[in-house]
Amino acid sequence: EIVLTQSPGTLSLSPGERATLSCRASQSVSSSYLAWYQQKPGQAPRLLIYGASSRATGIPDRFSGSGSGTDFTLTISRLEPEDFAVYYCQQYGSSPPEYTFGQGTKLEIK
Amino acid sequence: QVQLVQSGAEVKKPGASVKVSCKASGYTFTSYGISWVRQAPGQGLEWMGWISAYNGNTNYAQKLQGRVTMTTDTSTSTAYMELRSLRSDDTAVYYCARKGGLGAPDDYWGQGTLVTVSS
Repeated sequence: EIVLTQSPGTLSLSPGERATLSCRASQSVSSSYLAWYQQKPGQAPRLLIYGASSRATGIPDRFSGSGSGTDFTLTISRLEPEDFAVYYCQQYGSSPPEYTFGQGTKLEIK
Repeated sequence: QVQLVQSGAEVKKPGASVKVSCKASGYTFTSYGISWVRQAPGQGLEWMGWISAYNGNTNYAQKLQGRVTMTTDTSTSTAYMELRSLRSDDTAVYYCARKGGLGAPDDYWGQGTLVTVSS
């Protein structure tokens, strides 16, 4: 099973600042099958990024993803008030399928 | 528009079973799969498995093998997740999500179903 470790656990920033979230895998993620999700309290997760760097439909371009192999990053260029939430990475490329999630990074208002 | 509507909250006793439904609309059901993900109170996301609505093939998380069954009814565009031998640590919100197949992420999610296991 591929273990995903996200850092930091909590990130305190102000609107307008840049956020950098990390996701490290215990082994290489096949074909960059790495996704990022945003979850707000009481809501279902929302797909932001797939294939490590492709934005999902309707996602603003202030969200970007990068990385390959075992190290991946989600960057939010200028934080808007609605961006404060919990972010999860997930790998969906392992064979046999065991599509693990990271433990999450909470992005909170400073 | 793509929608996944899940069944309502359930309260079950330890040892019982629960079956959660997920009705899809707004797309061709058999062209995608359905993933199931759960979230215990205050905790992170846990992948449970997925089913291809095209051919019914399934993949389950190892820790749930033998207790979980995922099925689909293509005539009603509905997916089901049954979890047996419930324990208190199965208390969670259960989500279904549309999956484009192997190598595709979960792009649309249901609203979640709270399953509470309590004596």
